Amino acid sequence: AQSVSQHNHHVILSEAASLELGCNYSYGGTVNLFWYVQYPGQHLQLLLKYFSGDPLVKGIKGFEAEFIKSKFSFNLRKPSVQWSDTAEYFCAVNTGGFKTIFGAGTRLFVKA
Amino acid sequence: GAVVSQHPSRVICKSGTSVKIECRSLDFQATTMFWYRQFPKQSLMLMATSNEGSKATYEQGVEKDKFLINHASLTLSTLTVTSAHPEDSSFYICSASLEKDGIQYFGAGTRLSVL
Repeated sequence: AQSVSQHNHHVILSEAASLELGCNYSYGGTVNLFWYVQYPGQHLQLLLKYFSGDPLVKGIKGFEAEFIKSKFSFNLRKPSVQWSDTAEYFCAVNTGGFKTIFGAGTRLFVKA
Repeated sequence: GAVVSQHPSRVICKSGTSVKIECRSLDFQATTMFWYRQFPKQSLMLMATSNEGSKATYEQGVEKDKFLINHASLTLSTLTVTSAHPEDSSFYICSASLEKDGIQYFGAGTRLSVL
């Protein structure tokens, strides 16, 4: 069965630290990949997506993610986090059709 | 951007009663709507996928008679938790999609507490 694995459930960083959240999926075919973010008290929203082309995609608020097909990975990165990045981050994979599979989420807390 | 409104945000009910949750796409017509359930510290669990005017497709293990989904129009889907019990207490989230590309627009979620 298809699955999405996020490596860390909780991450605590100080402001200005670099961030990398791991995401691996299990599916051998073509995929669309997503990172969604949920800020405290808000609904889930799209952070960035990969459909095809350049495997390094840039999203909002300075986030980027790299699709490495050979590793079935789509890790999220940000060079310097801010307190306002405190949120829960979900990796998601769509394998065609409407169904999308979500990872368990990573809670990021950034200390001011 | 596409906005999805979910109502109510929180509901407390007695065991045995039914609860209806609404999900509306405010500024677009949603081809498909999804209902998720989220347990603490766990991922979003897809319960069902619904298309306007047709029966919802339920995921394995989800009781269709317990969780009734109605997708009456391109902008409204409802989830009714029938004869709710404490084990149905959870966070329910709806989302809507325009195309088959995986992008979903989420509602704010409904916290259901069954006493």
